Amino acid sequence: ETGVTQTPRHLVMGMTNKKSLKCEQHLGHNAMYWYKQSAKKPLELMFVYSLEERVENNSVPSRFSPECPNSSHLFLHLHTLQPEDSALYLCASSQRPGTGDTQYFGPGTRLTVL
Amino acid sequence: EDKVVQSPLSLVVHEGDTVTLNCSYEVTNFRSLLWYKQEKKAPTFLFMLTSSGIEKKSGRLSSILDKKELFSILNITATQTGDSAVYLCAVDYYGGATNKLIFGTGTLLAVQP
Repeated sequence: ETGVTQTPRHLVMGMTNKKSLKCEQHLGHNAMYWYKQSAKKPLELMFVYSLEERVENNSVPSRFSPECPNSSHLFLHLHTLQPEDSALYLCASSQRPGTGDTQYFGPGTRLTVL
Repeated sequence: EDKVVQSPLSLVVHEGDTVTLNCSYEVTNFRSLLWYKQEKKAPTFLFMLTSSGIEKKSGRLSSILDKKELFSILNITATQTGDSAVYLCAVDYYGGATNKLIFGTGTLLAVQP
């Protein structure tokens, strides 16, 4: 039990579908993150939310749209994805932004785009 | 360009062996180096290293950081099949208003009975 949960755990979608990934942290943290893990590539930081405001997005394509309604919840809205977007999407949280605190990860959502 | 490089990429050992995993980095505004174990889904935190030369231990696992030579090692003694996983090294650095992590590609460790 990591304190960070993600749903769904697996998702298969077509290129024309719209879906959302959900992340929830029960650790009282103030920063949340979305990462993408593709096969044989390092983890890539997609978005950072600090105190509910987006701080970095690292030039992620607009077909990925994050939403952070409060410090405990983080969403990743997906639309018109490409097959190369198939990957493991990991959510993480940390106590305080900008201090080097350890990030704790959720179990991830395995996304397959057909 | 900031980067984290891990070696070897993969390793196969037998139970009882000792292994050493390597992580080197080139990152500006370094703050800490972290080791994670990833078995099936989410990475699990192992160690956070901020000071050079101070070994951190947890059971059969230990790790040390050299900030002068910009590398860290993760040692696993008396390996067991349950140690089979991908071991990820990440460097935490100051990237504006919040901390950010850059990961290496990982070392895939397979421990055979």
